[in-house]
Amino acid sequence: GNSVTQMEGPVTLSEEAFLTINCTYTATGYPSLFWYVQYPGEGLQLLLKATKADDKGSNKGFEATYRKETTSFHLEKGSVQVSDSAVYFCAPGIQGAQKLVFGQGTRLTINP
Amino acid sequence: DTAVSQTPKYLVTQMGNDKSIKCEQNLGHDTMYWYKQDSKKFLKIMFSYNNKELIINETVPNRFSPKSPDKAHLNLHINSLELGDSAVYFCASSQGPVETQYFGPGTRLLVL
Repeated sequence: GNSVTQMEGPVTLSEEAFLTINCTYTATGYPSLFWYVQYPGEGLQLLLKATKADDKGSNKGFEATYRKETTSFHLEKGSVQVSDSAVYFCAPGIQGAQKLVFGQGTRLTINP
Repeated sequence: DTAVSQTPKYLVTQMGNDKSIKCEQNLGHDTMYWYKQDSKKFLKIMFSYNNKELIINETVPNRFSPKSPDKAHLNLHINSLELGDSAVYFCASSQGPVETQYFGPGTRLLVL
């Protein structure tokens, strides 16, 4: 079936550290891939996306590359800031199921 | 000019009551959703409508009834509220079922 596995949190880093949040998925075909971010007390908002193999999505210093061979879409940022503290969700868009399948979320806390 | 709006933002009520949450989007999207987010931030899709027609109804108790009077609105009515219904409910919209989704700010429901 269709599923997504995200790195379990919580993740705590110091400011300016390098961040990786792993995401792998199981799906037939080649889904579009999304990362969403949820800041405290708010709804989810799109962080970045990629729609085909080898595409790289990027926004606000975050990047993720669509890796077809490993069915992965890992989120990275070279130097995190306190303002990046939030919950991050990986979500493949499953055409057959007509929906996005959200991962369990990874809570990230950045300490000054 | 909020893209996806929900009312109310907070809802505190007694067990057994009936309540409604309203959602409106001004993005001209064809597809709208209701999600439930629990205290551990796990996000679960409940319903999806495309052009006012129900396309996803994930094993949700029939105490929950969505209604889409037009493409811009998707309301959620909940009968006989239970303690386990306490959660944050998010409305979202997108142009198509696996396109980028835009989320509302959420409705925080607490059942006492």
